Amino acid sequence: EAGVTQFPSHSVIEKGQTVTLRCDPISGHDNLYWYRRVMGKEIKFLLHFVKESKQDESGMPNNRFLAERTGGTYSTLKVQPAELEDSGVYFCASSREDGTGYTFGSGTRLTVV
Amino acid sequence: DQQVKQNSPSLSVQEGRISILNCDYTNSMFDYFLWYKKYPAEGPTFLISISSIKDKNEDGRFTVFLNKSAKHLSLHIVPSQPGDSAVYFCAANRDTSGTYKYIFGTGTRLKVLA
Repeated sequence: EAGVTQFPSHSVIEKGQTVTLRCDPISGHDNLYWYRRVMGKEIKFLLHFVKESKQDESGMPNNRFLAERTGGTYSTLKVQPAELEDSGVYFCASSREDGTGYTFGSGTRLTVV
Repeated sequence: DQQVKQNSPSLSVQEGRISILNCDYTNSMFDYFLWYKKYPAEGPTFLISISSIKDKNEDGRFTVFLNKSAKHLSLHIVPSQPGDSAVYFCAANRDTSGTYKYIFGTGTRLKVLA
């Protein structure tokens, strides 16, 4: 089965611009998660979708971040406007309904300059 | 306020020897623990897990030990191989919460010297 796919793999944007990250989960996985790792720090949970619904968005840093999962398939994470502290690697993961098959994508490295 | 801590940012071990990676946690509600391995430019990949009802789980060269009273777990790799060189993350979860939200540590970079 194909893994979790994330686009783009790298993105460099200027402060104040908008960036949209995309995640395609493994087919059939109802659960989709976003995480972020700022350099040298922990991989931090951002939010969890069950199908198209936000189950837990307790880790979202602020209202500059907007995650969507229309139709319960792929998800997007938009940062608008981007700030310097948003730089890091954004990981997406997906799992089956019961939490099994939890798989991470390769991540999107975001650099805000 | 970090609930999962990996206090050693790096570790070097000779090939064939044992690697021991440590992890401490503060939340006594955690009941499921995992180790992930991460190579550069790749996502974390699952290595081994342990439920709080056990104190040891073994899978080939990898063994995870859990000491609930000390809120401490460790990953043992025996024998260590150069291909084990990677960043290892400890993670924890409240399995009964149903959210599948993992709390990660900051990682330990393991270097296995040939």
